[in-house]
Amino acid sequence: SQQGEEDPQALSIQEGENATMNCSYKTSINNLQWYRQNSGRGLVHLILIRSNEREKHSGRLRVTLDTSKKSSSLLITASRAADTASYFCATDLSGANNLFFGTGTRLTVIP
Amino acid sequence: DTAVSQTPKYLVTQMGNDKSIKCEQNLGHDTMYWYKQDSKKFLKIMFSYNNKELIINETVPNRFSPKSPDKAHLNLHINSLELGDSAVYFCASSHTGEGSNQPQHFGDGTRLSIL
Repeated sequence: SQQGEEDPQALSIQEGENATMNCSYKTSINNLQWYRQNSGRGLVHLILIRSNEREKHSGRLRVTLDTSKKSSSLLITASRAADTASYFCATDLSGANNLFFGTGTRLTVIP
Repeated sequence: DTAVSQTPKYLVTQMGNDKSIKCEQNLGHDTMYWYKQDSKKFLKIMFSYNNKELIINETVPNRFSPKSPDKAHLNLHINSLELGDSAVYFCASSHTGEGSNQPQHFGDGTRLSIL
């Protein structure tokens, strides 16, 4: 299966702490993307990292990519209650924007 | 000024019925998608349309038929609904093209419940 898998499935932290989510995949990719889904809403794109990149930052988000291990991580620093959501990684194998989503990590940030 | 809008938001219907879900995007994107999200939150692509041409069909039953009257609209018609069709269906859109790597923009979903 080309589907990614996130780890952990669920994560609960206190506001202000950092949250780290991991994604593993099975085949070579063109790029990997992270999305957030709030309850009852659609997915929102967070960050895209290409296969020749190792790290990207966007505000409080930091994404790493290790193609040798076929894994990526999403770090959210100084978490806020509003960060409570499900986070999904998605792999694009060829750059044609055909995305295969992972199983998601449910993040709960306690105020 | 919603970017990707789907209607209806909720759809409750009987097994065996035929129903349609509509999707419109005002972002000027050239590709639109339909995804199915099951009760375990697993999201799987169903269809992709680029400039009104189908470019992906991920082993979806032929009871599901996408229809794109123009590149701003991609509707999903479902015949003979089954219990297993209960899910949340998401429409999305993006720019595509060589080297573009553009993110997808999602609607808020249509929650389909089959009785």
